[in-house]
Amino acid sequence: DIQMAQSPSSLSASVGDRVTITCQASQSISNYLNWYQQKPGKAPKLLISAASSLQSGVPSTFSGRGSGTDFTLTISSLQPEDFATYYCQQSYSAPWTFGQGTKVEIK
Amino acid sequence: EVQLVESGGGLVQPGGSLRLSCAASGFTFDSYAMSWVRQAPGKGLEWVSAISSGGSSTYYADSVKGRFTISRDNSKRTLHLQMNSLRAEDTAIYYCARSTTVVNTIFDYWGQGTLVTVSS
Repeated sequence: DIQMAQSPSSLSASVGDRVTITCQASQSISNYLNWYQQKPGKAPKLLISAASSLQSGVPSTFSGRGSGTDFTLTISSLQPEDFATYYCQQSYSAPWTFGQGTKVEIK
Repeated sequence: EVQLVESGGGLVQPGGSLRLSCAASGFTFDSYAMSWVRQAPGKGLEWVSAISSGGSSTYYADSVKGRFTISRDNSKRTLHLQMNSLRAEDTAIYYCARSTTVVNTIFDYWGQGTLVTVSS
């Protein structure tokens, strides 16, 4: 199975801050990497697919980069509605695995 | 509007069974693969099972293989998960999620989830 390691596991930031979350795969997954946002008590929401493809309706403050084993999700200017937990997921091979999550909290 | 609505969760004793359902609307159900993804209380996401658009191919995580069975009824636009021999570690919110295919699976829409609690 492909293991996905996210860092940090949590972070505190202020509105307007630039935030970067990293995700590392245990083997090369090309660009088969997706990012999800989950707010408390809600289902996850797909933000970015194929490492860098922003889903329709997702603010342009979100961006994704990477290929192979190392990936990043960046929020260029944190907004109040962005405080949530973020998960990466590899879609390279089954079983489809997720990172452990990064909780973005208000400083 | 894509909608996925899960049902069937509840409290069950260890060793017991439960059948989850997911009613789909707002898209051509039989054109999409479907999955179940679970989340234990306070924990991360774990993919559980997937089924191809026509239902001919099914896939399972090792943690549930031999105990869970995924199925779908395209005429009723419904996805199911039959869960047998339930264990305490199966306690979680179970989400159904849509994907374009069962290969290179991306979960583009999710239901609100149904809670399964396995406890005596």
